[in-house]
Amino acid sequence: NAGVTQTPKFQVLKTGQSMTLQCAQDMNHNSMYWYRQDPGMGLRLIYYSASEGTTDKGEVPNGYNVSRLNKREFSLRLESAAPSQTSVYFCASRARGWGGMNTEAFFGQGTRLTVV
Amino acid sequence: SQQGEEDPQALSIQEGENATMNCSYKTSINNLQWYRQNSGRGLVHLILIRSNEREKHSGRLRVTLDTSKKSSSLLITASRAADTASYFCATVNNDMRFGAGTRLTVKP
Repeated sequence: NAGVTQTPKFQVLKTGQSMTLQCAQDMNHNSMYWYRQDPGMGLRLIYYSASEGTTDKGEVPNGYNVSRLNKREFSLRLESAAPSQTSVYFCASRARGWGGMNTEAFFGQGTRLTVV
Repeated sequence: SQQGEEDPQALSIQEGENATMNCSYKTSINNLQWYRQNSGRGLVHLILIRSNEREKHSGRLRVTLDTSKKSSSLLITASRAADTASYFCATVNNDMRFGAGTRLTVKP
């Protein structure tokens, strides 16, 4: 059982380049999330998808786009990378169903992105 | 700004002592959760407390929730060196938002 898988684990981009961070979960979870974590900081919510077919902005959505490709996959795209987007990006998923919102989230191991 | 604010930002204690971390938040919530992070790795869920609960226990963990004050606390009893990590509270509605965290160091 792989849980939440993020690819790639590390990436270096030049300013202005674009890239897509991939996230897939195999737990049949409805909700998926993208966060960024800067050094010594907490996680800030970029975008989330409460269920397949829906996406919503979080706290820091500027400069990012997302796609909920299917129930398993939720990708994060940087169209024109900037040095301020240097961060560690985490994807998470959470079930919604009988438990309603009272379920725990499972996290991937993160993507360490450097924009030079 | 982030939904939750943890206090203190950093805490250093000796093994065997208790560690208390506090979390304040701004909006109404469905539930509040605590997570642990080791050295920049992915977060691991510790405990969940629903908005209609006031206290919950799990092993050496005790969580309280005061919705009137919009605050929660996490108590780790009889701490161990292996408890050294960062601890985050998360408020859950449709989304899930985290505070800035408390960095706990437990000295052997």
